Amino acid sequence: NAGVTQTPKFQVLKTGQSMTLQCAQDMNHNSMYWYRQDPGMGLRLIYYSASEGTTDKGEVPNGYNVSRLNKREFSLRLESAAPSQTSVYFCASGPFFGETQYFGPGTRLLVL
Amino acid sequence: TQLLEQSPQFLSIQEGENLTVYCNSSSVFSSLQWYRQEPGEGPVLLVTVVTGGEVKKLKRLTFQFGDARKDSSLHITAAQPGDTGLYLCAGAGTPLVFGKGTRLSVIA
Repeated sequence: NAGVTQTPKFQVLKTGQSMTLQCAQDMNHNSMYWYRQDPGMGLRLIYYSASEGTTDKGEVPNGYNVSRLNKREFSLRLESAAPSQTSVYFCASGPFFGETQYFGPGTRLLVL
Repeated sequence: TQLLEQSPQFLSIQEGENLTVYCNSSSVFSSLQWYRQEPGEGPVLLVTVVTGGEVKKLKRLTFQFGDARKDSSLHITAAQPGDTGLYLCAGAGTPLVFGKGTRLSVIA
């Protein structure tokens, strides 16, 4: 099993460009999550999907959108990237909402 | 809002030393998890504690859940360079509540 996979691993964008971060899990988990991690700020939840067909805002949703494409895939879209969105982005999944999570390797994003 | 406070924020020790890191809250959690994140990787689950007063051991790591299920500690015996990383605690919730972590550096 691959667990949680994320693409791309690295990305450099110019201000105003758009992009989609992809996440897939092969553990048949119900819940999926997107976090950003910045120095001194810990993991901050952007959006989550408690189950297939539902999505909800987390702590820092502004500037992002998500799509739960099916049970396996949960994508994060930046419509118009800003330098403040420079961060490391982690996708996670879990069998049950609000409990144990399994993380992907992360996407390192630099917005110039 | 449920919050988890972790202390210390940073810890640098010599190989072979013992250490304890703490995770505290004013809220009660039904369970609490500890994750370790190595540089350049995502967090990896170490353990879940569920019962107040519970103690779990993972080789040289000992995890304890407070009697009131509001706090937890992680004790590492004879730390090794391979223990270096960010240690995160997380409390069960909708959604999961993460602390900001303790960054541990073990120097050979």
